Amino acid sequence: TQLLEQSPQFLSIQEGENLTVYCNSSSVFSSLQWYRQEPGEGPVLLVTVVTGGEVKKLKRLTFQFGDARKDSSLHITAAQPGDTGLYLCAGGGYGNKLVFGAGTILRVKS
Amino acid sequence: GAVVSQHPSRVICKSGTSVKIECRSLDFQATTMFWYRQFPKQSLMLMATSNEGSKATYEQGVEKDKFLINHASLTLSTLTVTSAHPEDSSFYICSARRPNPGQGYGYTFGSGTRLTVV
Repeated sequence: TQLLEQSPQFLSIQEGENLTVYCNSSSVFSSLQWYRQEPGEGPVLLVTVVTGGEVKKLKRLTFQFGDARKDSSLHITAAQPGDTGLYLCAGGGYGNKLVFGAGTILRVKS
Repeated sequence: GAVVSQHPSRVICKSGTSVKIECRSLDFQATTMFWYRQFPKQSLMLMATSNEGSKATYEQGVEKDKFLINHASLTLSTLTVTSAHPEDSSFYICSARRPNPGQGYGYTFGSGTRLTVV
């Protein structure tokens, strides 16, 4: 069974601070995706990484995929209140399904 | 592109009744759709994989007779919660899988359905 461990579970920071969310697994994933979800809505895809060692940037968000494709991180620079939400990592296994991490609830206070 | 529409967004039903939730891919064909359940402030829990033209594949611990899934066309999957009880109250989310050139498969999620059983 493929599992993704996501940490931290909760993060409460001040506006302007930086933060990093981690996803780790003992399994190799063909791809890894990061989603952001707001209350009462479905997850919205932020990025997909597929190549070991890949780094992708989306404005203030930087995503990394580990060389061995077993781990990933999301780094947010100068967080803003609008970044508040539930962040989910999800791995595309060699089967049909996405494997989700437990999620990180981020709260950015102004 | 790649829009998934889920309906209804909210439903309140009486205990013992059945509720149907629809998931439609609006601008692409989805041979595979997924149904998730989500509790407050928690991650998504996969309930079942819906395959067009064949029986759904249920995850361990999910009652297939209680959560009926039908994927009769390439753009529509439905989840019916039968004989609903208050413990079935939850947020249900569907997603559709589509080919994503160069990146394997992409997954687009619906906006979710908040089910409250009273």
